Amino acid sequence: AQSVTQPDIHITVSEGASLELRCNYSYGATPYLFWYVQSPGQGLQLLLKYFSGDTLVQGIKGFEAEFKRSQSSFNLRKPSVHWSDAAEYFCAVGPNQAGTALIFGKGTTLSVSS
Amino acid sequence: NAGVTQTPKFRVLKTGQSMTLLCAQDMNHEYMYWYRQDPGMGLRLIHYSVGEGTTAKGEVPDGYNVSRLKKQNFLLGLESAAPSQTSVYFCASSYLTGPGYTFGSGTRLTVV
Repeated sequence: AQSVTQPDIHITVSEGASLELRCNYSYGATPYLFWYVQSPGQGLQLLLKYFSGDTLVQGIKGFEAEFKRSQSSFNLRKPSVHWSDAAEYFCAVGPNQAGTALIFGKGTTLSVSS
Repeated sequence: NAGVTQTPKFRVLKTGQSMTLLCAQDMNHEYMYWYRQDPGMGLRLIHYSVGEGTTAKGEVPDGYNVSRLKKQNFLLGLESAAPSQTSVYFCASSYLTGPGYTFGSGTRLTVV
């Protein structure tokens, strides 16, 4: 079955420290992969996406993610976290054929301490 | 502004009441989706549509119905609301399933 696992429910990082949020997926073929961010009371905003090609993708707000096929992972990273990065982050995996929808992980809540 | 608009933004229903949530997009997207978001559960797909006049069930369709009479609109109906349907509902649309979605800002529904 297709699924997305975000092992960490909640992570706290000091401001200025580096960040890595984990995402593992189970999918029958090479999927499309996404990271979304949701600030409290807001909708979801796309941070970055991977379709093919270079396995290291750059996104908005200084985020990047690396696709590792051998590990079925798509971890999100940021070298230096800002207080405004506190939010909930969702990894999602998508189909490579028409007619089906994205599958989301359960999310990781990021808190930033000063 | 172009995007996905959800109405209403907030609603409180009594158990057994019915209501319809409206999602409208002005990007000429073929695909539209309804998700619900609950704490610790992420987003779960309720129903989706791959074009005008077509709908399909997602992961959690029970208790909901949908219609896509016009390409730009995707309606989510609750015929007899239950407390278990208390949630935040998100609509999304996409040109294709691959490139990712544009999300609405959500509807917070409370059923008492």
